[in-house]
Amino acid sequence: SQELEQSPQSLIVQEGKNLTINCTSSKTLYGLYWYKQKYGEGLIFLMMLQKGGEEKSHEKITAKLDEKKQQSSLHITASQPSHAGIYLCGADRSNTGKLIFGQGTTLQVKP
Amino acid sequence: ETGVTQSPTHLIKTRGQQVTLRCSSQSGHNTVSWYQQALGQGPQFIFQYYREEENGRGNFPPRFSGLQFPNYSSELNVNALELDDSALYLCASSFSGPNYHYTFGSGTRLTVV
Repeated sequence: SQELEQSPQSLIVQEGKNLTINCTSSKTLYGLYWYKQKYGEGLIFLMMLQKGGEEKSHEKITAKLDEKKQQSSLHITASQPSHAGIYLCGADRSNTGKLIFGQGTTLQVKP
Repeated sequence: ETGVTQSPTHLIKTRGQQVTLRCSSQSGHNTVSWYQQALGQGPQFIFQYYREEENGRGNFPPRFSGLQFPNYSSELNVNALELDDSALYLCASSFSGPNYHYTFGSGTRLTVV
């Protein structure tokens, strides 16, 4: 089983709709990272969360880390076709910079 | 600032051969990690280098080896290639310390036939 579980695995939304992607760990995390990946390309950094209860926003994307630092959510408001891609959560469980990743969530946004 | 660059972008090798992948870290970064990403999966940590020393390794056999050079560029070497080694190989660099995230390169797509 995955050490980091992402849900859903895939998502198709209509342009303008809001959506949420979840990332869950069975163990406390030192840091939680969200990346976006276009198919077959490198990872683009979105946000890093380190404190329990932390919330960060950039443009229309908001990420939260729960108080126990075991669950994170990524919320996109008023989705656009440019938001399409694969969203990956990565976790640093030991403050060593060695990240484990979830399996990814594939997002399609229909115009 | 320059990002992380990887070469080559694509590569086809025959089973049993050896391959070297290269990574140029972002300026100022002293830590580099390598990841293997199979199709439809998240990246898997291979190893990390900090100041030219291996600083942690994932669950990969010894035929996966690496180097980090004084200018912080890096290489990933894979010997005795197997079909399952076909994947996207990602290099990521960072400055060691809190509050620094990893910057990823665009990857090298390796196909083993």
